[in-house]
Amino acid sequence: GNSVTQMEGPVTLSEEAFLTINCTYTATGYPSLFWYVQYPGEGLQLLLKATKADDKGSNKGFEATYRKETTSFHLEKGSVQVSDSAVYFCALTGTGGFKTIFGAGTRLFVKA
Amino acid sequence: DAGITQSPRHKVTETGTPVTLRCHQTENHRYMYWYRQDPGHGLRLIHYSYGVKDTDKGEVSDGYSVSRSKTEDFLLTLESATSSQTSVYFCAISEERGGSSFQEQFFGPGTRLTVL
Repeated sequence: GNSVTQMEGPVTLSEEAFLTINCTYTATGYPSLFWYVQYPGEGLQLLLKATKADDKGSNKGFEATYRKETTSFHLEKGSVQVSDSAVYFCALTGTGGFKTIFGAGTRLFVKA
Repeated sequence: DAGITQSPRHKVTETGTPVTLRCHQTENHRYMYWYRQDPGHGLRLIHYSYGVKDTDKGEVSDGYSVSRSKTEDFLLTLESATSSQTSVYFCAISEERGGSSFQEQFFGPGTRLTVL
């Protein structure tokens, strides 16, 4: 079945540092890939998405590229801010489906 | 923001009591989901609905039931709550996009349930 594996946290960075959160997936066909973010006390919200191979999703300075050859969708940001402290979830929806599989989440702490 | 509300937002109950959580949407989306979130497990799907009166089980459905009598409401019931059901519960909605597999989900604010 489909699955998502993301790096364990927590990840602690200083402000303005470079961020990478690794995500790899297992799926048949051509899934859609997502990154969701969860701020303290809130539900998840979509951060970015990519629906086909080589697509790059981007939002709020975050980027992720759909790499079918390596089955990866790593999240990157060039310069993190304290306000980026949150939990980040990698997720996929299978071809023709509507159920989403979520990774375990990676907690990010950014220090001033 | 998508119009999704959950009630109650917090609940403390005792083992063996029935509990019902409500999810209400104003978006008229077809699909609705219940997840539980536990440390180290991410989000796990409990039940989902693909239309009024159309529901199915997710990966952790034991001990839970759902009902959807109207498009806008999706109820999650714990028939006899156990301590292992202490968790944060999230409702989510999504809609079809011309047959594409792109299915962004919109989440409610969550319900924190404690079973003593």
